[in-house]
Amino acid sequence: EAQVTQNPRYLITVTGKKLTVTCSQNMNHEYMSWYRQDPGLGLRQIYYSMNVEVTDKGDVPEGYKVSRKEKRNFPLILESPSPNQTSLYFCASSPRGRQNQETQYFGPGTRLLVL
Amino acid sequence: AQTVTQSQPEMSVQEAETVTLSCTYDTSESDYYLFWYKQPPSRQMILVIRQEAYKQQNATENRFSVNFQKAAKSFSLKISDSQLGDAAMYFCAYRRTAYSGGGADGLTFGKGTHLIIQP
Repeated sequence: EAQVTQNPRYLITVTGKKLTVTCSQNMNHEYMSWYRQDPGLGLRQIYYSMNVEVTDKGDVPEGYKVSRKEKRNFPLILESPSPNQTSLYFCASSPRGRQNQETQYFGPGTRLLVL
Repeated sequence: AQTVTQSQPEMSVQEAETVTLSCTYDTSESDYYLFWYKQPPSRQMILVIRQEAYKQQNATENRFSVNFQKAAKSFSLKISDSQLGDAAMYFCAYRRTAYSGGGADGLTFGKGTHLIIQP
């Protein structure tokens, strides 16, 4: 089944304790992206990657890191989480660059609570 | 930068009736993509419908259709024969083409419309 997976789905942590949220897709997509969703704000892009070893900032990158060492994986790293990073996080992928292939497919989301 | 506006925080409709959700956007590009995503209580983001800006014909997917007015930068979603399973948050989103220059490459979302279906 074609899908985007995220782990963990739920996470409670404390301020300053480094964490990684993994994202993997099995559709051979070049493009991957991270979004966060907060009440009343919709979804906002954190980082994206056009291909392996190519990453760039979205609208709200502060406090986050990413890496893209393999095509299928795009982990989101919070080096020192803070309470304002409590949010619902989505990973998405798409076969960017080919005509009519602009649709992004989303993972199930990761709910993060930082105490 | 592109912006997407959904002016209706919440809408309510009777089961089997038709409802229209509004979306406007701002862009200086001539070619781009527009989407409606549905987010049920499970929080999963589900693609409802997509529209390529270069196509004049409005997209349709079963009971879902759009009214795309490029000059007015309007992209409304019409849901016909509303069903209880349509209850969800609906997000309008914009994405520039791969060949447009400048700016972050991703979806720009509106803040969403919460759709309630009355039985």
